[in-house]
Amino acid sequence: EAGVTQSPTHLIKTRGQQATLRCSPISGHTSVYWYQQALGLGLQFLLWYDEGEERNRGNFPPRFSGRQFPNYSSELNVNALELEDSALYLCASSPVGGNQPQHFGDGTRLSIL
Amino acid sequence: GESVGLHLPTLSVQEGDNSIINCAYSNSASDYFIWYKQESGKGPQFIIDIRSNMDKRQGQRVTVLLNKTVKHLSLQIAATQPGDSAVYFCAERDDYKLSFGAGTTVTVRA
Repeated sequence: EAGVTQSPTHLIKTRGQQATLRCSPISGHTSVYWYQQALGLGLQFLLWYDEGEERNRGNFPPRFSGRQFPNYSSELNVNALELEDSALYLCASSPVGGNQPQHFGDGTRLSIL
Repeated sequence: GESVGLHLPTLSVQEGDNSIINCAYSNSASDYFIWYKQESGKGPQFIIDIRSNMDKRQGQRVTVLLNKTVKHLSLQIAATQPGDSAVYFCAERDDYKLSFGAGTTVTVRA
């Protein structure tokens, strides 16, 4: 069974640009979560999508947004990039409902120059 | 602030010894906890989980203990191997999201 896949592996942008990160969940998982792992700050919850809708978001500005497609894959978009957006962005998926572990991809390393 | 945290940021263990990684949580209403392992350049990997109606759960070479009285979680790794070197995170499931501690870096000495 394929795990959570993310692309690209690395992404280099400059301040003010826009970035798009992609995630494919494990087959059968309808929930997709995005986390930011910045150096020294641990993993911070960004967004949760389920059945194509945004269910909740963490304490991040509106320039962090995304969507979930009918096949349950997801995109994370970050507009007006700032230096502090440099981080590893992790996507996780799980079946909806109940106490089920989230399974993570290997992330996209976003570097802002 | 974070609701889940680890007691020690680093742990050095002799190969073959047992490792114990500790975690304290603050939300007494939390009912589900997960341990993850993150190796360099990779995403967190699920190790084991435990629900609040349990005190102990065992997996392959790993045991998780939950003490709800003092809101403490621990992960024991038996016969630690070089491949166990990684950062270990405990996570508390808060309805829809995971709240992570800062992590413990485990280094296995040969």
